[in-house]
Amino acid sequence: GIQVEQSPPDLILQEGANSTLRCNFSDSVNNLQWFHQNPWGQLINLFYIPSGTKQNGRLSATTVATERYSLLYISSSQTTDSGVYFCAVYYGNNRLAFGKGNQVVVIP
Amino acid sequence: ETGVTQTPRHLVMGMTNKKSLKCEQHLGHNAMYWYKQSAKKPLELMFVYNFKEQTENNSVPSRFSPECPNSSHLFLHLHTLQPEDSALYLCASSPSGGGDYGYTFGSGTRLTVV
Repeated sequence: GIQVEQSPPDLILQEGANSTLRCNFSDSVNNLQWFHQNPWGQLINLFYIPSGTKQNGRLSATTVATERYSLLYISSSQTTDSGVYFCAVYYGNNRLAFGKGNQVVVIP
Repeated sequence: ETGVTQTPRHLVMGMTNKKSLKCEQHLGHNAMYWYKQSAKKPLELMFVYNFKEQTENNSVPSRFSPECPNSSHLFLHLHTLQPEDSALYLCASSPSGGGDYGYTFGSGTRLTVV
């Protein structure tokens, strides 16, 4: 099946810092989604981004489908950005494969 | 609130108990999913339902029994579970065929088997 690799696995940031999370995938995909899992376990959709760049406030994402990777940028990080960020790719008949996640901790 | 509601939020059960997890979506989606999230592992797809019909069972043990009475409701019936089944169980829904917004997840049920 499709392999989804996220890096770095763990990241500690000082509040106000910027960071980039990377997602590599092993095969062509139909689409890609970034999620943020909060401390209570809920997966919040951040971006649904098959290609190109999207921005939402301090977050932005870029997917280069031809090179099989996506990037999530966090600018001016806040403590509320802490949590796990998951990259998930769509393949086949609307199936979703997840990476292991990026654990982000933002310290004040 | 994401439009997908899961109950209960937390569940502790003994290995001989029978319990059920419930998922309800108000998004008009026709596909619903159960995922299992264990510590330090990627989310694992368990079951897929499209228009109330099960279209995928990802080699899940029979002690997990799903039920989808209509496109808005999904249940996961649990019986004679093992301690290694302790995990966060997430329900999701999506438009069949994808659509513009992808999957929407519920808040999950954190299950502990003692």
